[in-house]
Amino acid sequence: DIVMTQSPDSLAVSLGERATINCKSSQSVLYTSNNQNYLGWYQQKPGQPPKLLIYWASTRESGVPDRFSGSGSVTDFTLTISSLQAEDVAVYYCQQYFSSTRTFGQGTRVEIK
Amino acid sequence: QVQLVQSGSELKKPGASVKVSCKASGYSFSTHAMNWVRQVPGQGLEWMGWINTNTGNPTYARGFTGRFVFSLDTSVSTAYLQITSLKAEDTAVYYCARGGGDGYTSDYWGQGTLVTVSS
Repeated sequence: DIVMTQSPDSLAVSLGERATINCKSSQSVLYTSNNQNYLGWYQQKPGQPPKLLIYWASTRESGVPDRFSGSGSVTDFTLTISSLQAEDVAVYYCQQYFSSTRTFGQGTRVEIK
Repeated sequence: QVQLVQSGSELKKPGASVKVSCKASGYSFSTHAMNWVRQVPGQGLEWMGWINTNTGNPTYARGFTGRFVFSLDTSVSTAYLQITSLKAEDTAVYYCARGGGDGYTSDYWGQGTLVTVSS
């Protein structure tokens, strides 16, 4: 199975500052035939189900604020929150869907400093 | 609006079985796959697999074969997860999640069903 490793495990960022979460896959998730990275990002707030933020590594889901952006390719990916808001406190997960078993990263907890 | 409503919490004894339901509304059920995801309390997300809601064909992730069964009742737009021979380590919240437009991600999620296995 493809192993997804996120860093850091947690981070504390001041309101209005940038938060950066990294996700590394143990093998490429870039499908060369369509040049798409098979990677998504989810946000999970306490007591709630996850919410899809980003798919194809950089395409924002409808309704997701534009302060959330995804980047990266092949094995290294980043989720950036450009200006952290109080409502962004959550755990964030990356997930690859390149292989038949669609593994998640272990999660990154984002808090307010 | 799209909604996935799951059945309520369950308390089961080891060795018993449980069947979790996930009723979909607000869209055409057979046009989107249904994923299942497990979350042990306080831990991360585990993708269990998915079921093709058009053909009924399930795909199980490694670690979720044998005791886990995905099924459908398309007449009532409902997906099911059955777990047999329950073990204490099956204690978790189980989510159903609709397959997104890309065919792979999960764009709408149920509220989750807590299954507790305890003697």
